[in-house]
Amino acid sequence: AQSVTQLGSHVSVSEGALVLLRCNYSSSVPPYLFWYVQYPNQGLQLLLKYTSAATLVKGINGFEAEFKKSETSFHLTKPSAHMSDAAEYFCAVSDRYNAGNMLTFGGGTRLMVKP
Amino acid sequence: NAGVTQTPKFQVLKTGQSMTLQCAQDMNHNSMYWYRQDPGMGLRLIYYSASEGTTDKGEVPNGYNVSRLNKREFSLRLESAAPSQTSVYFCASEGNYGYTFGSGTRLTVV
Repeated sequence: AQSVTQLGSHVSVSEGALVLLRCNYSSSVPPYLFWYVQYPNQGLQLLLKYTSAATLVKGINGFEAEFKKSETSFHLTKPSAHMSDAAEYFCAVSDRYNAGNMLTFGGGTRLMVKP
Repeated sequence: NAGVTQTPKFQVLKTGQSMTLQCAQDMNHNSMYWYRQDPGMGLRLIYYSASEGTTDKGEVPNGYNVSRLNKREFSLRLESAAPSQTSVYFCASEGNYGYTFGSGTRLTVV
């Protein structure tokens, strides 16, 4: 079965600092991996996804993630945090079936950005 | 705007009451999903539907039923609500570019 572990339920950075949100996965097959962002009282929005093409994936809002098979990791980074990045972030791994993809989510990391 | 619409946005139930959460999408997607979100646990899959007329259990189906009567709509029913079902419920549909989530239903069972 697929599983996802996000290290750190809360991460605090200063505005302009590097953002690093950690995600490790377990999968019995080559995975599809995703990062989603959730702003307060909203649904989840896709930031980026890895589907076995380039290992460095660029997403929206300046975020990127690197797939490292040897480390079973898919950490999310952004060079310079902005106040608007404050949100909860979820890493997910896909379990593909005939009609689509069932996502298994990590527990989430709440990013706080200090002025 | 195209997307996934969930109703209601908020609901308070007494233990033992029943209710149906509604979800509709207008993107002509085949696959639809119901998740619940609890603090520290991320989102967990309750049920999913690969196409009209088919449904399957996810990770946490106990206490829930679903119905996919047509391609647009996928409803989630709680027959006898319990406090453990207090949660935020998200519906999603899946297209070529991935999932689109609704804005959620915040359910409190007292």
